[in-house]
Amino acid sequence: GAVVSQHPSWVICKSGTSVKIECRSLDFQATTMFWYRQFPKQSLMLMATSNEGSKATYEQGVEKDKFLINHASLTLSTLTVTSAHPEDSSFYICSAPRSYEQYFGPGTRLTVT
Amino acid sequence: TQLLEQSPQFLSIQEGENLTVYCNSSSVFSSLQWYRQEPGEGPVLLVTVVTGGEVKKLKRLTFQFGDARKDSSLHITAAQPGDTGLYLCAGLEGAQKLVFGQGTRLTINP
Repeated sequence: GAVVSQHPSWVICKSGTSVKIECRSLDFQATTMFWYRQFPKQSLMLMATSNEGSKATYEQGVEKDKFLINHASLTLSTLTVTSAHPEDSSFYICSAPRSYEQYFGPGTRLTVT
Repeated sequence: TQLLEQSPQFLSIQEGENLTVYCNSSSVFSSLQWYRQEPGEGPVLLVTVVTGGEVKKLKRLTFQFGDARKDSSLHITAAQPGDTGLYLCAGLEGAQKLVFGQGTRLTINP
């Protein structure tokens, strides 16, 4: 089946620094990828739609200047959390669609100290 | 954005019992998917239902899509401890965007 990877799987950073998370589709191309955020014991919340070759589409309430998304190729999207703060600590998950289905990455646990 | 109401949000039952999780919306979805998520991992797709009234079975799991394509249910027969996890329903909005329900955290006690 289709595989989506994320890197890193976990990261700890200091408040005020930036962190980049990568999402790759390993055996298929994805012109669109999605970024989600998940707080403990809660469901996934869609943050933005990453579009290859164009600007990302952000959901209402998500700061585009804080969560920078770059979809530079058909197999790679990156999410950069800029000037991270402790409240940005969360589980970040990406997904890529193929046919009727979405394939999810394993997630990245971000902890901001 | 369309909304999906999932219930119950928490369920703890004994091994061998049956259970049903519901996913309801006032909107029509072109398809609906059910996922299972383990702690610290991404969701894993269990099934996609597309046609109104459709029923799909996956071993002890039975998935149903409502006739009007606004609701769905997941029924587990003879639950086992290995069924423990977070179950998520998600409706397809537009071509590719998924809208998730709140999730059902299921615990099966031995």
